[in-house]
Amino acid sequence: DAGVIQSPRHEVTEMGQEVTLRCKPISGHDYLFWYRQTMMRGLELLIYFNNNVPIDDSGMPEDRFSAKMPNASFSTLKIQPSEPRDSAVYFCASSFGRSGNTIYFGEGSWLTVV
Amino acid sequence: GNSVTQMEGPVTLSEEAFLTINCTYTATGYPSLFWYVQYPGEGLQLLLKATKADDKGSNKGFEATYRKETTSFHLEKGSVQVSDSAVYFCALSDREYGGSQGNLIFGKGTKLSVKP
Repeated sequence: DAGVIQSPRHEVTEMGQEVTLRCKPISGHDYLFWYRQTMMRGLELLIYFNNNVPIDDSGMPEDRFSAKMPNASFSTLKIQPSEPRDSAVYFCASSFGRSGNTIYFGEGSWLTVV
Repeated sequence: GNSVTQMEGPVTLSEEAFLTINCTYTATGYPSLFWYVQYPGEGLQLLLKATKADDKGSNKGFEATYRKETTSFHLEKGSVQVSDSAVYFCALSDREYGGSQGNLIFGKGTKLSVKP
């Protein structure tokens, strides 16, 4: 089975530009998570969805960040306008069912904002 | 609130040495506990997990036991290999086992380097 698929793998963009990160969860999974990883803050949850509905977006830094899940097989994380402090690795992850079940991670989107 | 504390790295060992990476947690109730591993340039992979007290998770020679009395989930391996070089993350689920899926709360990560 294919794992969680993210695109792009790497992106370098200029400050002020819009960035869109994409994620395809594992088929059949009903939870989708977006995490951000930085050296300073480690891994932190941005938002997660259950059955395409946002459950907790308290980790979204500010209004410049938005996430959508229009259907069970696709999600986007958008940053507009981007800033250098947004440079990080953004991971999408998915899981099925109950707490304690494994959460599977994609390989990440490595974002650099210059 | 829930939190995870793991030993700071980096940890440098020689091949075939014994590995321990300490992890303690703060949580209400009975969260599930996890160890994830991240190889350079890759995403996180589940290494092992335990969902209730005294459970032992194991995989690829790694082990960790869920200790409720000491709120710990230390990772151990008897003989490390160069291929084990990676960053290891301890994590807990912020929901009790069997409840609705929640968030994973991660420790800061411990970088392990194994020299031949």
